[in-house]
Amino acid sequence: AQKVTQAQTEISVVEKEDVTLDCVYETRDTTYYLFWYKQPPSGELVFLIRRNSFDEQNEISGRYSWNFQKSTSSFNFTITASQVVDSAVYFCALRSFQKLVFGTGTRLLVSP
Amino acid sequence: DGGITQSPKYLFRKEGQNVTLSCEQNLNHDAMYWYRQDPGQGLRLIYYSQIVNDFQKGDIAEGYSVSREKKESFPLTVTSAQKNPTAFYLCASSITGGSYEQYFGPGTRLTVT
Repeated sequence: AQKVTQAQTEISVVEKEDVTLDCVYETRDTTYYLFWYKQPPSGELVFLIRRNSFDEQNEISGRYSWNFQKSTSSFNFTITASQVVDSAVYFCALRSFQKLVFGTGTRLLVSP
Repeated sequence: DGGITQSPKYLFRKEGQNVTLSCEQNLNHDAMYWYRQDPGQGLRLIYYSQIVNDFQKGDIAEGYSVSREKKESFPLTVTSAQKNPTAFYLCASSITGGSYEQYFGPGTRLTVT
């Protein structure tokens, strides 16, 4: 069975702090894909990144970076120098065939 | 601009009534999906369709029905058989196959009283 665990329900930081959102997944598939989505207060999910199981390279996009480690089944997301606009719920998801399995999300609150 | 449209943003219905949620996309995606989101929870898959005139049940299909008569449209009907229909409903689409990410619409918040 596929499962995604986001143990951090809510994180509060002050602007300019770095913050890491944890994601641990379970799957028996050898080929799978991992995603991060952002859900701002408006409700729409915004795609952030996709990573396949064969590519363990870390990725950096501006203030965002992702650390994928198959050995620990983790796909963590770090925001550097957080900003108020980063306040949202962040979801990690695992894809098998056509289905996405979502974690329960981490609410990030960035205060000025 | 390409994207996914869901209407209306907020919908109110009386218990016992069926209600249909609209989802339209102009991304030329073959696959479309319906998810339900409850407070403090992740998204759960209701139905998905990989091609016109074909669709499959997701994890929580009971009390819901869909149709896929056009590539661009994937309406969801919440029937009176759905025991707890109040939720936030999100529609998504993607390219079929491989690892393609899903793109989401703005969602419809349904309240049934």
